[in-house]
Formats: sequence, C-alpha cells, structure tokens
Amino acid sequence: NAGVTQTPKFQVLKTGQSMTLQCAQDMNHEYMSWYRQDPGMGLRLIHYSVGAGITDQGEVPNGYNVSRSTTEDFPLRLLSAAPSQTSVYFCASSLTGGRDGYTFGSGTRLTVV
Amino acid sequence: AQTVTQSQPEMSVQEAETVTLSCTYDTSESNYYLFWYKQPPSRQMILVIRQEAYKQQNATENRFSVNFQKAAKSFSLKISDSQLGDTAMYFCAFHNNAGNMLTFGGGTRLMVKP
Repeated sequence: NAGVTQTPKFQVLKTGQSMTLQCAQDMNHEYMSWYRQDPGMGLRLIHYSVGAGITDQGEVPNGYNVSRSTTEDFPLRLLSAAPSQTSVYFCASSLTGGRDGYTFGSGTRLTVV
Repeated sequence: AQTVTQSQPEMSVQEAETVTLSCTYDTSESNYYLFWYKQPPSRQMILVIRQEAYKQQNATENRFSVNFQKAAKSFSLKISDSQLGDTAMYFCAFHNNAGNMLTFGGGTRLMVKP
C-alpha cells in the first residue's frame, strides 16, 4: 500500500517557468489537499478537493491551479514560477475530511531562482 | 478564522526524561479536532495523536499523551521516556468539524540529547 505519492522530490525552476507537482493516493480517499511549508510558519493550505470534479481555494491559492479528474490524482500546477513560491509542498489525503487526520506525502522541495 | 500558536520554537530534553510541548488555539466553535504531527529530518509528516473536543478524556498513545484544556484553549503534548528517535519538529494542528483544512502552528523543534 503506497499511501500518498508525490513526484518529484526536488525541483529547481527558473522564474517564469511552469510545472506540475504530481500527487496520487491509492486509499480511495475523497478528500485531498495541497499545503506549502515555509520556515517558522507551519503548513498553509493552498487548494483542496472533496471529490473528483470538485476543488476549492485554501489560505494561499494565488499562483497555483488544481484539478481533480479522478479520485486518485490531484496535481498542483504552478503557472509562472516566482521566487516567493520557493517552499516545500505537501499533498495530503483523508477519508473523513480530516477529522481523523490526514495522510501526507513525503513532500516536494521546490526552489525558484 | 482559527489560529494556532506554539510558543516554544526550540526545546531540548535528555534521553529517558519527560518533556511537554505547548499549544494554544483560538476558535469560536465548540466541536473540533486537535492533532499533533511529528516531522523528523526525513520531512515526512507523521500523525502522533488526536483529540476530539467533545471528549473530556485526554488522548494517549503509548509514550505520548495530551493535556486538553478546552476552556483555556490549550492542547499540550507530553512525551514520556524520551528517545533519540523523538528528535523532530512537532506541529500542533486544528480542524473544525465542518471544514476541510488543518490550521497549523509554527512548530517546535525538539532535540533529544543522549
């Protein structure tokens, strides 16, 4: 059972480039989320989804897009990378909407130069 | 909006001793869930313990226990018999009953010394 799988683990982008962070889960969880982790600030919610075809914005959505075409996959797209998007990104999923906690992926460290 | 505050950026403890990490939160809701997550150097976020606000009994998971004071909006984590493998960042997190997001505190870096 793989849990939540994120790829890539590390990425360096130039300012203005676009890319997609991949997230897949094999636990049939309806709820999936993307968080970013910055030093001293804990994790902040970027976007979330409560099921296939349904997404919504979190606390810090600007500069990011998401879609949810299947239950398993929830990719995060950076449209035009900026140095302020340098961070560690975590994908998480939950069966119960988070009341029992989320299962997190291992994270993607993104550097924008 | 909920806020979660961890007032101890760094702590250290000797192996086999007990340490308590503090967390306070602010909410107007009466039913919610609180969590402690551990993040070791591997970066993986690991759920340590969970507390439901409507339950008065403090949650316990092996060496980890919480002191949940609902009126004071306080949720501290006690680690007994500290082990070197407990060295990590610890995050307190809040989840309201109807929402779909976790609100995290800024974290406490715990170092267990041999």
